[in-house]
Amino acid sequence: ELKVEQNPLFLSMQEGKNYTIYCNYSTTSDRLYWYRQDPGKSLESLFVLLSNGAVKQEGRLMASLDTKARLSTLHITAAVHDLSATYFCAVDSGGGADGLTFGKGTHLIIQP
Amino acid sequence: GAGVSQTPSNKVTEKGKYVELRCDPISGHTALYWYRQSLGQGPEFLIYFQGTGAADDSGLPNDRFFAVRPEGSVSTLKIQRTERGDSAVYLCASSPMRGETQYFGPGTRLLVL
Repeated sequence: ELKVEQNPLFLSMQEGKNYTIYCNYSTTSDRLYWYRQDPGKSLESLFVLLSNGAVKQEGRLMASLDTKARLSTLHITAAVHDLSATYFCAVDSGGGADGLTFGKGTHLIIQP
Repeated sequence: GAGVSQTPSNKVTEKGKYVELRCDPISGHTALYWYRQSLGQGPEFLIYFQGTGAADDSGLPNDRFFAVRPEGSVSTLKIQRTERGDSAVYLCASSPMRGETQYFGPGTRLLVL
């Protein structure tokens, strides 16, 4: 059974600081996704990582994938308040036929 | 273009009642997924449709849950004899083809009293 673990589950940080969210998964996977969810809203796709060593960046967010370690990271650079949200990683269990398996999410609060 | 839409946005029902939740995927997307999200948790996969057929329903918790997609576009998730534990946000997602990025709808918040 595929398991996805994120840490930390809760993070409070100050504007301007850097931090990393970690996502570990238990079995080989074809794809890893990062989503953002604002309170009371649905999920917004941020990144999809397809291969070992993949790195993608959008603004102050950068995601990377190490398939050998079964680890993805989401790095936040010089955080701003607008990045406050819950971030989920999700893993495709393979073959594209099944649904995604999500982590529990990292609830991120960025304080001025 | 239009995103995934879901109706109703909120549904309050009584224990034992029947409910239907509707999902309109992005036009042209062949893959459609249903998930359930409980408070403070990540979404849990329920069922996946490729076209009209349910390709994977392994996430449905029991036989009270059923979903259809008769014309390969709109899908309906049906819950019989609702229980208080069914209270959650039900999310629908679609993708152009299997294995591609899934785009989520706003969800239906179901409360069973």
